[in-house]
Amino acid sequence: GAVVSQHPSRVICKSGTSVKIECRSLDFQATTMFWYRQFPKKSLMLMATSNEGSKATYEQGVEKDKFLINHASLTLSTLTVTSAHPEDSSFYICSALRTGQPQHFGDGTRLSIL
Amino acid sequence: AQSVTQLDSHVSVSEGTPVLLRCNYSSSYSPSLFWYVQHPNKGLQLLLKYTSAATLVKGINGFEAEFKKSETSFHLTKPSAHMSDAAEYFCVVSEVQTGANNLFFGTGTRLTVIP
Repeated sequence: GAVVSQHPSRVICKSGTSVKIECRSLDFQATTMFWYRQFPKKSLMLMATSNEGSKATYEQGVEKDKFLINHASLTLSTLTVTSAHPEDSSFYICSALRTGQPQHFGDGTRLSIL
Repeated sequence: AQSVTQLDSHVSVSEGTPVLLRCNYSSSYSPSLFWYVQHPNKGLQLLLKYTSAATLVKGINGFEAEFKKSETSFHLTKPSAHMSDAAEYFCVVSEVQTGANNLFFGTGTRLTVIP
């Protein structure tokens, strides 16, 4: 069964609103989680690495004030897209790192900004 | 630095025929290599991984891949395609020696299975 839960699976909202996406590790503690963005028919692009109890590490070109990441517990990381605009529409996927195992991925969130 | 090249953006096979999805990589250190599958509007599911043990790796759903260091390749194969195999496949590399957990994704190969 799924070991990483991502919620919501789909969200549609108006331009200018903020959207929060949750990523939970279901039966293990994940000190490190990752957030990816995937454009249509494209590969995954790493946005940031989320570390429990510390600031996220953002990849070059990713606006940290636009994409707020909080990893407040060992089983939950959140990505908030602030003041979202149509160009932020995308498929966002999280993953969690489990000791000794490859990254486990969530099912993704389809974000559509009108 | 790591990189992954998936040579085919789209592969089409008939049901019951073999599948070959090609992947070449470059890595400064001993790499870990993965194949993931993604069905529409879904996350990624791990098919198999290579982490410096046996060079022929068997995964789920009948897939396997062979690590060939001399060719820097990690091609994914399956003897007989099934309709449910239709999906997007990503070849991924991660460096082991540096301890980096970052994954570097190929651009993906869309597999179509014709009935």
